Amino acid sequence: GESVGLHLPTLSVQEGDNSIINCAYSNSASDYFIWYKQESGKGPQFIIDIRSNMDKRQGQRVTVLLNKTVKHLSLQIAATQPGDSAVYFCAEKRGRGYQKVTFGIGTKLQVIP
Amino acid sequence: DAGITQSPRHKVTETGTPVTLRCHQTENHRYMYWYRQDPGHGLRLIHYSYGVKDTDKGEVSDGYSVSRSKTEDFLLTLESATSSQTSVYFCAISGRDSETQYFGPGTRLLVL
Repeated sequence: GESVGLHLPTLSVQEGDNSIINCAYSNSASDYFIWYKQESGKGPQFIIDIRSNMDKRQGQRVTVLLNKTVKHLSLQIAATQPGDSAVYFCAEKRGRGYQKVTFGIGTKLQVIP
Repeated sequence: DAGITQSPRHKVTETGTPVTLRCHQTENHRYMYWYRQDPGHGLRLIHYSYGVKDTDKGEVSDGYSVSRSKTEDFLLTLESATSSQTSVYFCAISGRDSETQYFGPGTRLLVL
């Protein structure tokens, strides 16, 4: 698999269960957050985003929760499937226009059939 | 991969040789980025471009240069490759508001 997967925290989930992946972000001024999924040997793929004026956003089988008080972001995946096995990482950004995006290291999700 | 291709996808080279990686997009996006991805690190920005011939350094730019002569192409050059530049390189693009970045499939580079 990808060497990027080494040394990552790993979450093992039974197929069909819900998964919760957490991310602590660093900059209290960040106002835009993104979750990416990266499968082995592939580039990061956009999953869902959320702005700081929201605390929850739902997509297809995924929900992102934002807690600005403790600078915490979570990604919930409903009815986890084998195809969800990947590394998931969050990204934070402040302001419009070009601003530095800070990417987390990620969490490896393993789905047990 | 949002209309982004990278070439080559894999490359093995020797220390001291120059290497050029190419990113090509079909989305007509203004912003383009080069990142490297290494174990234990989040994606780290090497260089970015905010238009044709407009580029700037990222956090790990030493040893790298870039060029953008057309909207659709962004080239990353390792002037004299070193073993510390062994990595997976990703190109990304974003639109006018420079918000969500979409990534290419990556280039795995091994410098011997």
